[in-house]
Amino acid sequence: GQNIDQPTEMTATEGAIVQINCTYQTSGFNGLFWYQQHAGEAPTFLSYNVLDGLEEKGRFSSFLSRSKGYSYLLLKELQMKDSASYLCAGFHGSSNTGKLIFGQGTTLQVKP
Amino acid sequence: GAVVSQHPSWVICKSGTSVKIECRSLDFQATTMFWYRQFPKQSLMLMATSNEGSKATYEQGVEKDKFLINHASLTLSTLTVTSAHPEDSSFYICSARTVGDTQYFGPGTRLTVL
Repeated sequence: GQNIDQPTEMTATEGAIVQINCTYQTSGFNGLFWYQQHAGEAPTFLSYNVLDGLEEKGRFSSFLSRSKGYSYLLLKELQMKDSASYLCAGFHGSSNTGKLIFGQGTTLQVKP
Repeated sequence: GAVVSQHPSWVICKSGTSVKIECRSLDFQATTMFWYRQFPKQSLMLMATSNEGSKATYEQGVEKDKFLINHASLTLSTLTVTSAHPEDSSFYICSARTVGDTQYFGPGTRLTVL
């Protein structure tokens, strides 16, 4: 199966840390992407995990456990501009012919 | 970074007309382009995968005769919504894939069918 689950909404405070979880059924996925999408705009690439472990990129980090079908996106030192939807997407198939399957997205609201 | 453009950014058309949306990779060659549709407050739904020089692969439930896709070159793919109806009103987003699997998204096209 290719189900991807994320919480629908989350709220956090400016300056805090928030973790957005994503779980998926493990069959067929060869990597996990995270995208940020502001309302009315296209998604922008945040991170890509193909191996287990933590990938850190500035204020954002992403973690993957393939055996558990689990990933999370960690946002540190939250800023108001981080209010957006965060999309978890599994890469299904081979490198040249595969496609992204998106979760429903998590809408994050950052409050002062 | 890789840049993908879409044209037009938004379009309003009458029911029954056809609308063409262009997707271009500006600074890289994309062997594969993807077309997504997104309804308000929902996630992206893949419509079709487009490979240069070959027929597009449509996802289940997407009418290939209604959503015509042409991928004529490594930098251009087009989506034509034929005989558009109000239920086709949506945000259409393309993406292009580089070597290394990362997909970059275009800015999207908002289609409103009256």
